[in-house]
Amino acid sequence: GESVGLHLPTLSVQEGDNSIINCAYSNSASDYFIWYKQESGKGPQFIIDIRSNMDKRQGQRVTVLLNKTVKHLSLQIAATQPGDSAVYFCAETHSGYSTLTFGKGTMLLVSP
Amino acid sequence: DAGITQSPRHKVTETGTPVTLRCHQTENHRYMYWYRQDPGHGLRLIHYSYGVKDTDKGEVSDGYSVSRSKTEDFLLTLESATSSQTSVYFCAIRQASIGGSYEQYFGPGTRLTVT
Repeated sequence: GESVGLHLPTLSVQEGDNSIINCAYSNSASDYFIWYKQESGKGPQFIIDIRSNMDKRQGQRVTVLLNKTVKHLSLQIAATQPGDSAVYFCAETHSGYSTLTFGKGTMLLVSP
Repeated sequence: DAGITQSPRHKVTETGTPVTLRCHQTENHRYMYWYRQDPGHGLRLIHYSYGVKDTDKGEVSDGYSVSRSKTEDFLLTLESATSSQTSVYFCAIRQASIGGSYEQYFGPGTRLTVT
């Protein structure tokens, strides 16, 4: 069947580089913004989230930045590894986390 | 994997036939979701449930119905399948996260082909 990765914007990086994946959102009333990773043939996996009253949040090798002025969200991955190759989705929620609205995704390809 | 299973994992059916997909969870989560995923569209919410017999529509609910008669099972039914419903279907649950918010955990997906 057709892969979810077709028709997606793609970011290609070398192993060890830092990666930055961007997302624009539209709903200024969203409470939380979330990043998911989806490997081929699997369901999406939660990476990190950030509350709307924060600008930055760090996890293990990942940092999420939120710029509410321009409605922009980014995911930074430090020292990218081949295992980071996947499709990355941003999502937002404005209903107390009852439902999520997903962006269309970005494919990250990491070459050794 | 938050104890989520989906069945069947793959199904091929003909246009006009009814199809039911099952999502089963073992951890007593209150919220359950059905999404479809298509190239170029990402994940789109079909229906969700916030308790037994409590369901609500999502973004793309036309042509789909759901039922939740017990906490552990959330069923998605295509009453009369159409080719436009060929997709990968994901079930998810919501659980509290360490940071004080929530996370949605996804099942492995069901690939449905309508011929």
